Amino acid sequence: AQTVTQSQPEMSVQEAETVTLSCTYDTSENNYYLFWYKQPPSRQMILVIRQEAYKQQNATENRFSVNFQKAAKSFSLKISDSQLGDTAMYFCAFMGNTNAGKSTFGDGTTLTVKP
Amino acid sequence: KAGVTQTPRYLIKTRGQQVTLSCSPISGHRSVSWYQQTPGQGLQFLFEYFSETQRNKGNFPGRFSGRQFSNSRSEMNVSTLELGDSALYLCASSIFRGGAGETQYFGPGTRLLVL
Repeated sequence: AQTVTQSQPEMSVQEAETVTLSCTYDTSENNYYLFWYKQPPSRQMILVIRQEAYKQQNATENRFSVNFQKAAKSFSLKISDSQLGDTAMYFCAFMGNTNAGKSTFGDGTTLTVKP
Repeated sequence: KAGVTQTPRYLIKTRGQQVTLSCSPISGHRSVSWYQQTPGQGLQFLFEYFSETQRNKGNFPGRFSGRQFSNSRSEMNVSTLELGDSALYLCASSIFRGGAGETQYFGPGTRLLVL
C-alpha cells in the first residue's frame, strides 16, 4: 500500500518570501503521479501542481515549483514570492498507475502567510 | 466549462438515518471518485466509478455505497448513519482517456453533520 507523509503540520512565512513544504511517499510502483493540492478555508480543493514520475524535469507553475527526487521518494513544493492568498492547507497526493481514480493523501501542512 | 458540483452543500441528519449525496462531474469527465475528509482521519478514498462501474473501493464498511449514471453523474449513499460519519465528503472527476494519473478536479464538498 502507498503512504504519503507530510512531516510539517504547520508552517508560516512572511509575505514575498519563499517557503518549502516537504512530502515523502512510499510505493513499490515505478510509474505514478504526484500532486500538490491547496485547500483554503472555503474547503475547495484546488490543484496546484502535478508531476509524472517518468519525467526527470521538475514541474513548475508560475510561483510554484517542485523538487522531485524519485530515488529518495521525496516531492517538495516551493512557493516563491508568497502572497496572503497562499494561506491554506496544502496536501501532497499520490496516484499509482494501477489505481486510476484513487489518490492517497498526506495529512496536510497548514501554511500561514503573514503580512 | 462548469466545475464539479455537489448537492446538497450542507446536511444535518440524526443517527440511524440514511443520506444520499450527489455529484455532477465536469462535462466530458467520465471518472468520479469520492473522498471522506475528517480532522482525525484526514482524506480517505471511498470509491471510484467509471462508465457506471465501480473500479476501486476504499476501506469503508458496506454502509457506504455509490453508483454512477449513464450521464456520469454519481451518487453516494450512507445508511444507518453513525456520529463518526460526520465529515466533509468530496467528489472529484477526471477525464480518464485510458491511462492512470489523470488530474482530479474537486467539487466544493458536502458537509454532513450527524447528531
